[in-house]
Amino acid sequence: GDSVTQMEGPVTLSEEAFLTINCTYTATGYPSLFWYVQYPGEGLQLLLKATKADDKGSNKGFEATYRKETTSFHLEKGSVQVSDSAVYFCALSDKYTSGTYKYIFGTGTRLKVLA
Amino acid sequence: DAGVTQSPTHLIKTRGQQVTLRCSPKSGHDTVSWYQQALGQGPQFIFQYYEEEERQRGNFPDRFSGHQFPNYSSELNVNALLLGDSALYLCASSFRTSGGPDSQYFGPGTRLLVL
Repeated sequence: GDSVTQMEGPVTLSEEAFLTINCTYTATGYPSLFWYVQYPGEGLQLLLKATKADDKGSNKGFEATYRKETTSFHLEKGSVQVSDSAVYFCALSDKYTSGTYKYIFGTGTRLKVLA
Repeated sequence: DAGVTQSPTHLIKTRGQQVTLRCSPKSGHDTVSWYQQALGQGPQFIFQYYEEEERQRGNFPDRFSGHQFPNYSSELNVNALLLGDSALYLCASSFRTSGGPDSQYFGPGTRLLVL
């Protein structure tokens, strides 16, 4: 079945450091890929998405490229800020035969940015 | 434009009791999905409702049931609560498109504690 694997955290960085959070997936169809962010005490917020191979999603300085050949969707940011401290979830959306969509989430990677 | 809203925000129950959680989708959305997020884990799909019917279901027992109303709002019911049902319950809404994948928008969640 479909699955998402992301690097375990926590990831601790200094402010202005470069961030990479790895995500790989397995899917039977042609999924869309997403990164969600969850701040303490809150629900999930969509950060960025990519719907087909070689697409690059970007938002708030974060970006991720849909790599079909390596089944990956790694999240990157050139210079992190303390306010980026949160839990990041990689997810895929794939189509059921009924036509509706299912979402599979990774286990999350906690990022802590130190001033 | 109101986003996804959930009520209540927090809830404490005892084992064996029943609970009902409520969700109002984002304006314009017609599909509601429910997720259970245990502490330190990613969201796990419970079920999805569209056109007032359960369309897809994850690996959850029949103690978990739901309903969708004509205004697209939804309820999640859990009977015979177990300690292991303690979690953050997330509602997500989306628009069921026929041409491609959509993106879900999440509510802030209801935190359920079972004692």
